[in-house]
Amino acid sequence: NAGVTQTPKFRILKIGQSMTLQCAQDMNHNYMYWYRQDPGMGLKLIYYSVGAGITDKGEVPNGYNVSRSTTEDFPLRLELAAPSQTSVYFCASRRHDSNQPQHFGDGTRLSIL
Amino acid sequence: KNEVEQSPQNLTAQEGEFITINCSYSVGISALHWLQQHPGGGIVSLFMLSSGKKKHGRLIATINIQEKHSSLHITASHPRDSAVYICAVGIQGAQKLVFGQGTRLTINP
Repeated sequence: NAGVTQTPKFRILKIGQSMTLQCAQDMNHNYMYWYRQDPGMGLKLIYYSVGAGITDKGEVPNGYNVSRSTTEDFPLRLELAAPSQTSVYFCASRRHDSNQPQHFGDGTRLSIL
Repeated sequence: KNEVEQSPQNLTAQEGEFITINCSYSVGISALHWLQQHPGGGIVSLFMLSSGKKKHGRLIATINIQEKHSSLHITASHPRDSAVYICAVGIQGAQKLVFGQGTRLTINP
């Protein structure tokens, strides 16, 4: 069971570069989420999606973009990377039934230098 | 003020001690979640509850809806319980969670 797979696990970017964090799930979950976790802080929601073709902003969407062309994949795009985007990024998914637990990927540790 | 507050932020105890981590929230919720994050970083769901109490092995989670408070208890704590424990609430009418800042638990042998 792969569950939620995130790639890459680690990445160092220079200021102004762009990259895409990949997230894929094989559980046929409708709902998918991107979070960032800064040291000593709770997880903050960046973007989420309730199904293919539907995305919505979370608490901290600035500097990021997402797309959801398939049920399985939910990539997160960073344009013009900034030091403030240094963080650990988690992708999660869950079934559409109400009050289902979220399943998390292992995270991507991103440093912007 | 955060919508979800956990206490304590850090907790160090000796092996075998009874552990309690608290979570208070200020919004209407559909459910409350307890999550565990090990030093390697992965996050797993421990409990999801909307009333009463749930037990899994040495872990017990309780919730008091009227007081907007939940507790996570660990009995006979062990060094392998060392992790960050995160409380999160599902907001009524929304499809997303709001997270507490986490409680870092260290159990010494």
